[in-house]
Parts: sequence; structure tokens; C-alpha cells
Amino acid sequence: QKEVEQDPGPLSVPEGAIVSLNCTYSNSAFQYFMWYRQYSRKGPELLMYTYSSGNKEDGRFTAQVDKSSKYISLFIRDSQPSDSATYLCAPGAGGGSNYKLTFGKGTLLTVNP
Amino acid sequence: EAGVAQSPRYKIIEKRQSVAFWCNPISGHATLYWYQQILGQGPKLLIQFQNNGVVDDSQLPKDRFSAERLKGVDSTLKIQPAKLEDSAVYLCASSFDRVAYEQYFGPGTRLTVT
Repeated sequence: QKEVEQDPGPLSVPEGAIVSLNCTYSNSAFQYFMWYRQYSRKGPELLMYTYSSGNKEDGRFTAQVDKSSKYISLFIRDSQPSDSATYLCAPGAGGGSNYKLTFGKGTLLTVNP
Repeated sequence: EAGVAQSPRYKIIEKRQSVAFWCNPISGHATLYWYQQILGQGPKLLIQFQNNGVVDDSQLPKDRFSAERLKGVDSTLKIQPAKLEDSAVYLCASSFDRVAYEQYFGPGTRLTVT
């Protein structure tokens, strides 16, 4: 079983739709749960993250972690064509100044106008 | 604040040739990472530096890959000799010690080995 599993999609939705992106993981040591957005031919951009279980909201984006089921979610409300990108979940473990992120394969999202 | 800088952006070489990539991290970021991202995959960590020292190079194919970080700032990743399977995007990232889980990536170098 891979440490981080992410459905690669592709996922195509109409503008304004609610999008749900998900990952599962197996390593109980993960403490931080990062989401990166990667536009075509660009480097990953840190979108948001949560620490331990719970929700975090940032504008149209909500990140959610359920440590009991080892499930990570990112919700996008009122999706826009500019949200079209690959979304990478990346849980992390470590301490002090030494953390390691383990990336999923990424989900390719297309939002159609 | 300037982001992570990488060069070159693109490189095409023949197999068995050598190639080097350069990275300049965000100012003040002590930790620097090199990742390899193969098409359709997530980034895979190759090597992690903290200041001048190597923290983790367990995934670095040391028979052909080498990396250094002189003076704790810029870093260079080298491949010699390159193989076809090295075709990928090489990403550099950096993080600040107090929030080491927040890694910031550069634009990457797209390597094609023919």
C-alpha cells in the first residue's frame, strides 16, 4: 500500500460547481496536511494546510482531515476556470526544522466556463 | 519577497551526457530540497539540505546524481551520466526553520534525455 493515494482524475466540472478532491494515507505519523496547486509547466504552489484533524477554510477553499479514517479532502466552492490545475495532497511528518512531505500523484481538475 | 529561483528552465541532452541544475532558495530559508517529478506523478524527494549539511539523501541515485550546497545558500544538482529515465522536472524547494513543513517551490527545470 502506498503511503499516499490520490485519485489522478481527470476531473471536469462546470464553472460554479463544488469540487471535492481526496486523498487517503497510511502513515499515522503525518501531522501536517498540505495542499499544493500546480498549473501546467509551473512549480507547485502552497495553497493551504491543516494541522492534525479538523477543518480549515480560506475563501472558497476548505481543507479537511479525518485522522481516524486517514482521509484528506479539499473542497472548492464556486469553482472558477482559473482553478483549473493539478492539485497535490502532501502530508508531512517530522519535528523541529526537519519535516518531510510525501506527495500524492495529483488530481487534474478542469473547470469549464 | 523573491521566490525560489531555478535555472535553466529547460534542458535537452543525449543519454550518457552530463547536466547540472542550479537553485537559489528564498532568502533566510535554511532548508533546501531537490525533488524529481516524473510526468503524471507527484514530486519525489531526492535530497534535503539544512544549511551546508545533508539531512536526507536516501532517495538520491548516488551512482549518477550528486548535489552540493556551498555556503548554505545556492545549490547545484548534477546528473552524470544521464539515462532516458531521468527525463523529468527537477524541482527545488526551500523552507524556513520555524515552519519547516511550509515548503516553497521554484518553477522547475524540465529535463529531456534523448
